[in-house]
Amino acid sequence: QKEVEQDPGPLSVPEGAIVSLNCTYSNSAFQYFMWYRQYSRKGPELLMYTYSSGNKEDGRFTAQVDKSSKYISLFIRDSQPSDSATYLCAPRYGNNRLAFGKGNQVVVIP
Amino acid sequence: SQTIHQWPATLVQPVGSPLSLECTVEGTSNPNLYWYRQAAGRGLQLLFYSVGIGQISSEVPQNLSASRPQDRQFILSSKKLLLSDSGFYLCAWSVRADTQYFGPGTRLTVL
Repeated sequence: QKEVEQDPGPLSVPEGAIVSLNCTYSNSAFQYFMWYRQYSRKGPELLMYTYSSGNKEDGRFTAQVDKSSKYISLFIRDSQPSDSATYLCAPRYGNNRLAFGKGNQVVVIP
Repeated sequence: SQTIHQWPATLVQPVGSPLSLECTVEGTSNPNLYWYRQAAGRGLQLLFYSVGIGQISSEVPQNLSASRPQDRQFILSSKKLLLSDSGFYLCAWSVRADTQYFGPGTRLTVL
């Protein structure tokens, strides 16, 4: 059983729409949850992270964690063509290791 | 500020040939270092991590090995490449339990 599951997509939305991404995980011991953004043929870059359950907002991005259902979400408001990328959720575990899902590919159409 | 370098950026190698990928970090001391592989259609898979010079932990059994000869240098090697070793290899660093920062990656094609 994979520890982190994401629907790889692609998810196509018109510019200005709200993008909703999610992933599920199986290990109840995860406490920190990262979201990385990866442009094609580039290394991932950290978008934001949350600790335990709750919401965190950073500009147009909002991350949510529901530990009771082991469900992680990322919302992008007022999406822009520059948001077209793959979004990777990654819970953190021992020795600061990350467990990555396959990623959600997003295409924002101008 | 901290910077992470990886080279080469792109590599095409025949099956059975050796491999050496290098990663160096600037602007920090005693970082945790990580090697990941991203194969087509798959997520990032952690291959090795290191919490100090000469300290290497392997996550998955494979024909790859890693070494950390200096504090800010991390090397990924293979004696004989397999077709299944093709992928995008990413090095990352962190300071203890802080955020991981990724390098630009090396795209390896084994023919």
